[in-house]
Amino acid sequence: SQQGEEDPQALSIQEGENATMNCSYKTSINNLQWYRQNSGRGLVHLILIRSNEREKHSGRLRVTLDTSKKSSSLLITASRAADTASYFCATDSLSGNTPLVFGKGTRLSVIA
Amino acid sequence: GAGVSQSPRYKVAKRGQDVALRCDPISGHVSLFWYQQALGQGPEFLTYFQNEAQLDKSGLPSDRFFAERPEGSVSTLKIQRTQQEDSAVYLCASSLDFGGAGTDTQYFGPGTRLTVL
Repeated sequence: SQQGEEDPQALSIQEGENATMNCSYKTSINNLQWYRQNSGRGLVHLILIRSNEREKHSGRLRVTLDTSKKSSSLLITASRAADTASYFCATDSLSGNTPLVFGKGTRLSVIA
Repeated sequence: GAGVSQSPRYKVAKRGQDVALRCDPISGHVSLFWYQQALGQGPEFLTYFQNEAQLDKSGLPSDRFFAERPEGSVSTLKIQRTQQEDSAVYLCASSLDFGGAGTDTQYFGPGTRLTVL
């Protein structure tokens, strides 16, 4: 079963616009990570945010985490056609060494 | 440097055949993970290794699935008597160490797309 749920399932925007994707999860976590997957390729790690952090930036990416609501958001600013991909959130759990649990992903299309 | 590699990239099997999927992790990475990704879904955990020890195989869907990493580097995921529901992309990931839940970045290979006819 999958812990996270991304929202929306699909998003289509124009190049230059900002894209916001949301992730909700069910159990308490240590960390939340976002990954990108281009069609037919493996996953690329984007950013990790720890449970005691509320916001983190990396280049055009901004991630927020609200542990009280068990949710996270990924904002991509000034989107480019090359940002077209599926984006997944992945969580661990507080119960010890556990592997990542992924959501179903948001499919982002950036139209040039 | 070289990333995680997987072979074959594509595999077509007839129902009932056995298949073996290979993963070459990044050199020196202690932890290795296998995930199954169905079409339109996120990856789902199958099993993981620390060096040669298989520490968790709770995600393996049936006893037809078997994974090994005998020398603590290359890993093989074997599926016996394949069924149509086994059709998926099988992703391998490695991390430098499994030092705590999710604290180490996992580097993913390109995956093996398995189609069972």
